[in-house]
Amino acid sequence: EVQLVESGGGPVKPGGSLRLSCAASGFSFSSSNMNWVRQAPGKGLEWVSSISPTSDSIYYADSLRGRFTISRDNAKNTVYLHMDNLRAEDTAVYYCARDPALTTGTWAYYFDYWGQGTLVTVSS
Amino acid sequence: IQMTQSPSTLSASVGERVTITCRASEYISGWLAWYQQKPGKAPKLLIYKASSLQSGVPSRFSGSGSGTEFSLTISSLQPDDFATYYCQQYNSYSWTFGQGTKVEIK
Repeated sequence: EVQLVESGGGPVKPGGSLRLSCAASGFSFSSSNMNWVRQAPGKGLEWVSSISPTSDSIYYADSLRGRFTISRDNAKNTVYLHMDNLRAEDTAVYYCARDPALTTGTWAYYFDYWGQGTLVTVSS
Repeated sequence: IQMTQSPSTLSASVGERVTITCRASEYISGWLAWYQQKPGKAPKLLIYKASSLQSGVPSRFSGSGSGTEFSLTISSLQPDDFATYYCQQYNSYSWTFGQGTKVEIK
């Protein structure tokens, strides 16, 4: 069974940093593209970042590039999102999600499995 | 690329046929997916590549469209279908979601 479990969320002051983790199981993590998507309270979904299996392809939403860094550790089956200089508008539930492409080096460009999310609250 | 869903809210009765539309601000090559989200839950994939039904999703859900105009149709609305629906596109290393359509009980 595919499982994605996010952790690392919580309260943080404006300007602070936080690292989110997403532990994966039940599939070949080292062959899978992984993604982060966020959802502000009461709002819609917003794509944050994506990373290929070997980390050679990394993409960010334009509005977040420079503050957020995605990375992965295939030995630990974990993808990370490091967030710097956090702002109130970064308050959201952060989901990790899998791209179901079957072949390394390709992308399916959608998300078939999602974690339960972890809430980040940026407030003074 | 901006994705605009319509309507934003839809009131319908059980058994009704409902259609949600997603319009892209530019041509997209069919990398269009639809998700269902219930309160407090993660989104669930329904449709990918505009018209392919995800495994395990009931056949009352269908997707269609190409270019800039796409739609999700529920052929006979069931009680479990009351939720918010999002379209999502991919183009040039960027993924974008529509703003969502809330399907409410009439």
